[in-house]
Amino acid sequence: EDKVVQSPLSLVVHEGDTVTLNCSYEVTNFRSLLWYKQEKKAPTFLFMLTSSGIEKKSGRLSSILDKKELFSILNITATQTGDSAVYLCAPNYGGSQGNLIFGKGTKLSVKP
Amino acid sequence: SQTIHQWPATLVQPVGSPLSLECTVEGTSNPNLYWYRQAAGRGLQLLFYSVGIGQISSEVPQNLSASRPQDRQFILSSKKLLLSDSGFYLCAWMFGTTNYEQYFGPGTRLTVT
Repeated sequence: EDKVVQSPLSLVVHEGDTVTLNCSYEVTNFRSLLWYKQEKKAPTFLFMLTSSGIEKKSGRLSSILDKKELFSILNITATQTGDSAVYLCAPNYGGSQGNLIFGKGTKLSVKP
Repeated sequence: SQTIHQWPATLVQPVGSPLSLECTVEGTSNPNLYWYRQAAGRGLQLLFYSVGIGQISSEVPQNLSASRPQDRQFILSSKKLLLSDSGFYLCAWMFGTTNYEQYFGPGTRLTVT
């Protein structure tokens, strides 16, 4: 059965801290892994990873994929209160249909 | 640029009533379209996906159905709502079959009473 496990489930840090969010997965016909940020509304797209070992970076956020060990991490440096959200990991399975299976997310709270 | 719309934004319906949620996409053609549900305390669950007009695949058997009457329109329906249908319903689109990025609409919060 396809599954996605994210850890930790929740995290409380102070502004300026660096955090690492983890995602492990087991899916058939893996194509890519996506990260989303969800505040109290619809998820917004952050990264799509398809190749192992190649870091994707956007500002203070970065992510990397390990297809051999079946996990991905999302790093956030110099956290800000605006980073408070649930971060969702979603591997793509099932080929060209693009279907995603989502983890339950990591709830990040950044305190001033 | 592409835009995805959903309506209504919120909905309160009694048990046993029908449901119709609509999703439309602008600025692209022949997208893959998806319906997800996010129930309280649970992750996002894929309900239906469509690769073209009239083509619907169901991921989870339930009392919901989906239709795609036009290229950029996706509708989620139910004949009789259950309490367990409450949740946050999200429509998403993906362009092409090699770029797997999915983008979500604003969502509909459904409360079944």
